Amino acid sequence: AQSVTQLDSHVSVSEGTPVLLRCNYSSSYSPSLFWYVQHPNKGLQLLLKYTSAATLVKGINGFEAEFKKSETSFHLTKPSAHMSDAAEYFCVVIMINTNAGKSTFGDGTTLTVKP
Amino acid sequence: KAGVTQTPRYLIKTRGQQVTLSCSPISGHRSVSWYQQTPGQGLQFLFEYFSETQRNKGNFPGRFSGRQFSNSRSEMNVSTLELGDSALYLCASSFGGRANSGELFFGEGSRLTVL
Repeated sequence: AQSVTQLDSHVSVSEGTPVLLRCNYSSSYSPSLFWYVQHPNKGLQLLLKYTSAATLVKGINGFEAEFKKSETSFHLTKPSAHMSDAAEYFCVVIMINTNAGKSTFGDGTTLTVKP
Repeated sequence: KAGVTQTPRYLIKTRGQQVTLSCSPISGHRSVSWYQQTPGQGLQFLFEYFSETQRNKGNFPGRFSGRQFSNSRSEMNVSTLELGDSALYLCASSFGGRANSGELFFGEGSRLTVL
């Protein structure tokens, strides 16, 4: 069994300040973990993924996430927020080598960026 | 490489009607998953098709059905539409085999409004 908890439903930051979106997971076996971003009325776009290689994962648009097995966390960070980062973010977990239909999505975190 | 294509992008139906949505996956992808996204319920998994067979199913009533063709294109159908079926319906494709990382590639969605 697996589950994902995104600890904040809404996060608000000022442009130029750091972003932290928190995700905790539980999984019986080794997981693959993903962060997706969704802009209004658009599909989800992959930001980054962890698949049991390096624990610090770098993604697109300056985002990165660190897999911490001891804390069962996969928090998403960015050093400096940009207005275009305002969107909804989803943390996703899937057991490695299982099919995509077994993906578990978090409830999403809405990021607001203030000028 | 073309992305995942969903048609139609927007549609309006009335209660009791039925609707068919189409999804063309990325070339070479054999798995297609469908999701319903609403403000109240978030992102919910409908079903997944792999090689023309339904491989996984979410917790939706029988009014929601789907199929996949030999070219991996997929359709989903909702019969006897209800107001609560108004949502963004997202399709995602992946390689789908056992050794894949689980990464999903999303289309831009079909926005269904039921009046």
